[in-house]
Amino acid sequence: RKEVEQDPGPFNVPEGATVAFNCTYSNSASQSFFWYRQDCRKEPKLLMSVYSSGNEDGRFTAQLNRASQYISLLIRDSKLSDSATYLCVVRPEYYGNKLVFGAGTILRVKS
Amino acid sequence: DAGITQSPRYKITETGRQVTLMCHQTWSHSYMFWYRQDLGHGLRLIYYSAAADITDKGEVPDGYVVSRSKTENFPLTLESATRSQTSVYFCASEPGLAGRLAKNIQYFGAGTRLSVL
Repeated sequence: RKEVEQDPGPFNVPEGATVAFNCTYSNSASQSFFWYRQDCRKEPKLLMSVYSSGNEDGRFTAQLNRASQYISLLIRDSKLSDSATYLCVVRPEYYGNKLVFGAGTILRVKS
Repeated sequence: DAGITQSPRYKITETGRQVTLMCHQTWSHSYMFWYRQDLGHGLRLIYYSAAADITDKGEVPDGYVVSRSKTENFPLTLESATRSQTSVYFCASEPGLAGRLAKNIQYFGAGTRLSVL
């Protein structure tokens, strides 16, 4: 079983749609969680950190469910520019700085 | 603000050759990382470094060597390149803020696309 698992997609949605991605992680001791965005053939960039109480950044909402060990990302009012691969990222060790990346979920927003 | 830069951006080499990929960061971040990204695998950690002269293996270290004589540089060497090392290589750095793991964000370089023929 992979340490971080994501549905690879692709998710094909029209502009203005709401779309949600889930990610599951296997290490119950994981302490930090992130969503990164990666555009085609470019470097990953932080989209948002995920906090225990859930957090929102504009059209993006992230949730963490520690009991079920999953993380979600909700994108409202999708834009063409949201088309990218979304990487679920987990920091599995409390005092470690290593990150574990999911393989990514592809989102395609179409006009 | 140069940030984190990788060179070369593209490299073609032959099996058995030694190749060095360079990574330089201007933030004085403590931690630096090397990942490779292959289709279907996501990013996998090759080596990381917590500070100058401190390095440690990641998930897939075989066939690679790293060094960190200066905080700002973290070169990755393929001692004898193999076709299975054809990949996109990303370097990353992180400030290493003690006790603030959620704030410890990793920043990535633009990547090096390596083809081993």
